[in-house]
Amino acid sequence: GAVVSQHPSRVICKSGTSVKIECRSLDFQATTMFWYRQFPKKSLMLMATSNEGSKATYEQGVEKDKFLINHASLTLSTLTVTSAHPEDSSFYICSANSGRSSYNEQFFGPGTRLTVL
Amino acid sequence: SQKIEQNSEALNIQEGKTATLTCNYTNYSPAYLQWYRQDPGRGPVFLLLIRENEKEKRKERLKVTFDTTLKQSLFHITASQPADSATYLCALFTGTASKLTFGTGTRLQVTL
Repeated sequence: GAVVSQHPSRVICKSGTSVKIECRSLDFQATTMFWYRQFPKKSLMLMATSNEGSKATYEQGVEKDKFLINHASLTLSTLTVTSAHPEDSSFYICSANSGRSSYNEQFFGPGTRLTVL
Repeated sequence: SQKIEQNSEALNIQEGKTATLTCNYTNYSPAYLQWYRQDPGRGPVFLLLIRENEKEKRKERLKVTFDTTLKQSLFHITASQPADSATYLCALFTGTASKLTFGTGTRLQVTL
């Protein structure tokens, strides 16, 4: 149980285009989903916290107009990188929290590798 | 803000030995601390969680200790195997909106 999927696993796009990444909790309902980005050999940096049916909460320094997050259902959150540029190239990882664990255990997706040319 | 440091970027050990990874944090002690494994190009996988009132936690060949006085957690892998080679991340629950703060990670390489 507690499986989280991401789609696509890898995407290459031209500079200026928008890219949408999906995060799905497959066998549980996720009250909260988190989006991280990770640079090579670096740790995960939290970008935003997404709660179903409400606006995402962005971390300091993360442009909300650049990284659009939608959490329309309890099993799906999407991250859209708008007008992507080469500096947006990174590994994007989502995680989901069922809200049932008292320890807020997060289950991570496999990640999406974004390369902007 | 909470700062988390993991002792070394990389650790190389011989198969069969015990690997010990360190996680140090500043500021307040978290309610609990978690350890994750991450393989290249993959998302982190949860391994163990230890609460602030627990000194030690074990799971098969894994052992985690938590010293709130030293503000440190140690992660041990006994009888290490090449398959244990991966990056290991510690993470602290900040207590705010269920957010986790991750350490920089230690890349473990177990050789024959």
